Amino acid sequence: GNSVTQMEGPVTLSEEAFLTINCTYTATGYPSLFWYVQYPGEGLQLLLKATKADDKGSNKGFEATYRKETTSFHLEKGSVQVSDSAVYFCALSDKQVSGNQFYFGTGTSLTVIP
Amino acid sequence: NAGVTQTPKFRILKIGQSMTLQCTQDMNHNYMYWYRQDPGMGLKLIYYSVGAGITDKGEVPNGYNVSRSTTEDFPLRLELAAPSQTSVYFCASSNPSGFYEQYFGPGTRLTVT
Repeated sequence: GNSVTQMEGPVTLSEEAFLTINCTYTATGYPSLFWYVQYPGEGLQLLLKATKADDKGSNKGFEATYRKETTSFHLEKGSVQVSDSAVYFCALSDKQVSGNQFYFGTGTSLTVIP
Repeated sequence: NAGVTQTPKFRILKIGQSMTLQCTQDMNHNYMYWYRQDPGMGLKLIYYSVGAGITDKGEVPNGYNVSRSTTEDFPLRLELAAPSQTSVYFCASSNPSGFYEQYFGPGTRLTVT
């Protein structure tokens, strides 16, 4: 079946540090992969996506590359800011599944300190 | 363009009460979803719909009901509320002709006491 595994949090970094949040997946078909961000008290917002192997998604300085050989989609940012403090969710969708259901990881909480 | 809207934002229910969580989207998306988010547990799918008049169960449907009479609206009904239904509920929608990314509402925080 389909599933997503994310690195456990919480993660605390100093401003301008390098960020990596690991995400690996299991899928029966050819999934699309996503990173969502949730700021305190808000809903989830799409951060970036990749729809096929070797695609790189990028947005707001964040990047993730769809690696089929390692079934991974790790999120990276070269220099984090206090405003990046949020919970990050990795997710996959599989068009072969009814309703194109999403499978979410458990989320990784990031706190950036000045 | 408001996207996905949810009401109410907060609600406290007593055990055994019922309520309906409202969800509306103005993006003309065929697919809509209801999730619950428990602390540290990620999101679990309750119900989904692929179009007006068509709904199906997700991972955790017990204690909930849905209907989809229009493309825009997808209400979630809680019957006989229980403390285990204390959670944050999110509605989402997606366009099956795109890359299927889901757009989320701001959520409803429900407490059952």
